[in-house]
Amino acid sequence: SQTIHQWPATLVQPVGSPLSLECTVEGTSNPNLYWYRQAAGRGLQLLFYSVGIGQISSEVPQNLSASRPQDRQFILSSKKLLLSDSGFYLCAWKTGVMTSGGNTEAFFGQGTRLTVV
Amino acid sequence: GQSLEQPSEVTAVEGAIVQINCTYQTSGFYGLSWYQQHDGGAPTFLSYNALDGLEETGRFSSFLSRSDSYGYLLLQELQMKDSASYFCAVNRDDKIIFGKGTRLHILP
Repeated sequence: SQTIHQWPATLVQPVGSPLSLECTVEGTSNPNLYWYRQAAGRGLQLLFYSVGIGQISSEVPQNLSASRPQDRQFILSSKKLLLSDSGFYLCAWKTGVMTSGGNTEAFFGQGTRLTVV
Repeated sequence: GQSLEQPSEVTAVEGAIVQINCTYQTSGFYGLSWYQQHDGGAPTFLSYNALDGLEETGRFSSFLSRSDSYGYLLLQELQMKDSASYFCAVNRDDKIIFGKGTRLHILP
């Protein structure tokens, strides 16, 4: 069966410090991978998605970047955190459109609650 | 652009039926999905409508009308554990775009 791992669960970082959040998927090949951010009580904002190794699409210009060094690994990074980067970060995967025919079912990691102080 | 509109909050009574609406302004998407998210948790998939009409999964049903750019999630026999946020979402190409979510409050 497929599983998705995301860590750490919580993180408190000072303003100006770097960030690295990691997400890995097991039990599937060539998944689409996604990073979302959710502010308290708000919706899911798509930050980045990837359809393959080294292929990153950015949805919102911001202080963050993403990388996919391996098929089932997705990393969210920042060189210098801002207060506005605080939020709940969620990694997700789904089968690519060409394989799934468009089924939207996505599977989420448990999230990382980031507080920038 | 792409946008999905949902009511921000809905309140219902335990044992009752509630409908959460979703209207969208996008085209070329594969279908409409619904996710549930409890406080502090990750979203989990509930249902998917590829075609117009009603899909039923236990106490939950979902409806899609492409001609009206409209869908809804219907929850029957509400239980306290259904208190959560509910998101509609569309898959356009390889992106998954979510609505802002509807917070469902259930009264005993």
